[in-house]
Formats: sequence, structure tokens, C-alpha cells
Amino acid sequence: KAGVTQTPRYLIKTRGQQVTLSCSPISGHRSVSWYQQTPGQGLQFLFEYFSETQRNKGNFPGRFSGRQFSNSRSEMNVSTLELGDSALYLCASSLGSNSPLHFGNGTRLTVT
Amino acid sequence: AQSVAQPEDQVNVAEGNPLTVKCTYSVSGNPYLFWYVQYPNRGLQFLLKYITGDNLVKGSYGFEAEFNKSQTSFHLKKPSALVSDSALYFCAVRDEARAGGNQFYFGTGTSLTVIP
Repeated sequence: KAGVTQTPRYLIKTRGQQVTLSCSPISGHRSVSWYQQTPGQGLQFLFEYFSETQRNKGNFPGRFSGRQFSNSRSEMNVSTLELGDSALYLCASSLGSNSPLHFGNGTRLTVT
Repeated sequence: AQSVAQPEDQVNVAEGNPLTVKCTYSVSGNPYLFWYVQYPNRGLQFLLKYITGDNLVKGSYGFEAEFNKSQTSFHLKKPSALVSDSALYFCAVRDEARAGGNQFYFGTGTSLTVIP
């Protein structure tokens, strides 16, 4: 069974630009979550989608948004990039509540 | 509010010795606790979980964790460390405040180095 796939692996953007990250979950997993990982803040929850609906949202500004498609694939978008948005963005899928998260290898975003 | 704490940023252990990575938790209801491992430039990999039942949970790669309700701890253990166990380890607790969701709070991580 294929794991969680995130594309692209690396991105370099400049301040003010926007970026879209993509995530394909494990087949059969309907829950997709996004986390931001930085050395200073650790892993911070961004949002979770289930059956195309945002189920939970973390404490991030409105510049961070996401969506989920009918095939469970998900995208997250960050607009008006800031230097502080530089991070590893991790996508994870799961079967549902109390199920472990299965992570992709992440997208490394660098904002210059 | 739910949270987990990993008191040690770095743990060093000699190959072949037992290892312990510490985690304490704070939850308002029943704890749902997980351990993950992260290798460089990779995502997190699930090791084991505690939902209910036996206090000693066995997981992948020979790891196990001991749930202690009175001490609110969930320490990760392995009887004999391998050099390949060197990685970053995260403890996590499921957010029970968000009914129906599957959101987790993660600890700050513990870097484990196994010395040959």
C-alpha cells in the first residue's frame, strides 16, 4: 500500500508570494491533517479535513488555508508569504478518531 | 487542555544498553497517547499507542512504552539500543476537546543518539 505522498519536496519562495502544497493520503484514509514543523515551535497543528470538510483548525492566521477533494487528496495554500513561514509542512492521513497518523515526508518551504 | 512534555532534549546511550525516552502528559479525560519517530528529512513514523488496556504497550522495532496513570507518564523504552535507533522521538496526545476530530498535541521531541 502506498504511503502518504507530498509534493513538492522542496520549495523556495520570496516574501509576498503564495504557495500551494499537495498531499495524497493512503488509500482508504478519509482524514487528512496538516502540521507545521519548525525548530523553535515544534509540530503545530494547522487543520484537519474529513470528507471534504474542515473538521478542526489550529491557531494560524487566515493566510493559511486548505481544502480536500472528493478523492481525499488535499492541498494547503499559504498566501502573502512571510519569512517566518519557512518550515517543514507535514501532511498526515488516518482512518479516523484514535487512529495513528501516517505522515508524508513533508514539503520543505523556504521563504527568502 | 491536553499537553505532553518531553523533559529531555537529548538522550545518549551506548549500543546494547537499555534506553528510555521520557514523556509526561496532562489530559482532562482519558489519555490517548502515541509515540512517533522521525529520521532526518523524513516525516514521522508511528511506533505505538495507548488507548486502554495493559499498561505495557508493545510497538514497532522492539520498542515498548509503559503507561503510568499515577505519575501521568508514558515513557518509551527498548531493552537493547541499536545505532539505527538514533533519531528524533515525539510523544503525542490526542486532543479530546475536539470531539470527532483526530488532532494531536506533540511534545517538543527528544533527540536520541546511540553510541557504537
